[in-house]
Amino acid sequence: EAGVAQSPRYKIIEKRQSVAFWCNPISGHATLYWYQQILGQGPKLLIQFQNNGVVDDSQLPKDRFSAERLKGVDSTLKIQPAKLEDSAVYLCASSHRGANTGELFFGEGSRLTVL
Amino acid sequence: GENVEQHPSTLSVQEGDSAVIKCTYSDSASNYFPWYKQELGKGPQLIIDIRSNVGEKKDQRIAVTLNKTAKHFSLHITETQPEDSAVYFCARGEAGTALIFGKGTTLSVSS
Repeated sequence: EAGVAQSPRYKIIEKRQSVAFWCNPISGHATLYWYQQILGQGPKLLIQFQNNGVVDDSQLPKDRFSAERLKGVDSTLKIQPAKLEDSAVYLCASSHRGANTGELFFGEGSRLTVL
Repeated sequence: GENVEQHPSTLSVQEGDSAVIKCTYSDSASNYFPWYKQELGKGPQLIIDIRSNVGEKKDQRIAVTLNKTAKHFSLHITETQPEDSAVYFCARGEAGTALIFGKGTTLSVSS
């Protein structure tokens, strides 16, 4: 079974530029999450999708971050304009049955450096 | 959601020793408590989980205990091996919400 795919693995941009990350979850997984992991900290939820609908985006900085899940499969996370404090690893995860009823499968992450 | 407090932040043990990591939480609605292992450059991977109707669960060298009254749960690794070296995260979950993670424990096992 293929795992969660993310791209790009690494991205370096200057502040005020924009960046987009892509995620392809495990086939058949209805729930998709984007987490932000700042160096030395645990993953922090940005947004949770159930199929193509948003379940929780309460911690997404909506003035600069946006996310969509096309047709309930792939997802894109965009940051525009980026700030220095956005430097982090952006982890995508998917699960079969929802937040706390099944295992979360994480991708390898997209490491963003904002200069 | 409220945070999960995780201790210690770093832990160094000799190969063959046991390692214990503890987490506390305050939201009594939490009913699912997984532990994830993250190796360098990779995403976190589930190693064991426990639900609120169970006090202890074991899988070979790994065990998790839960005290719902005191609102804390612990990860126990016995007979540690160098390949156990990684960052470990506890998390809590409840119906309808995503997992909330602790800040992590960096475990170093020296041979």
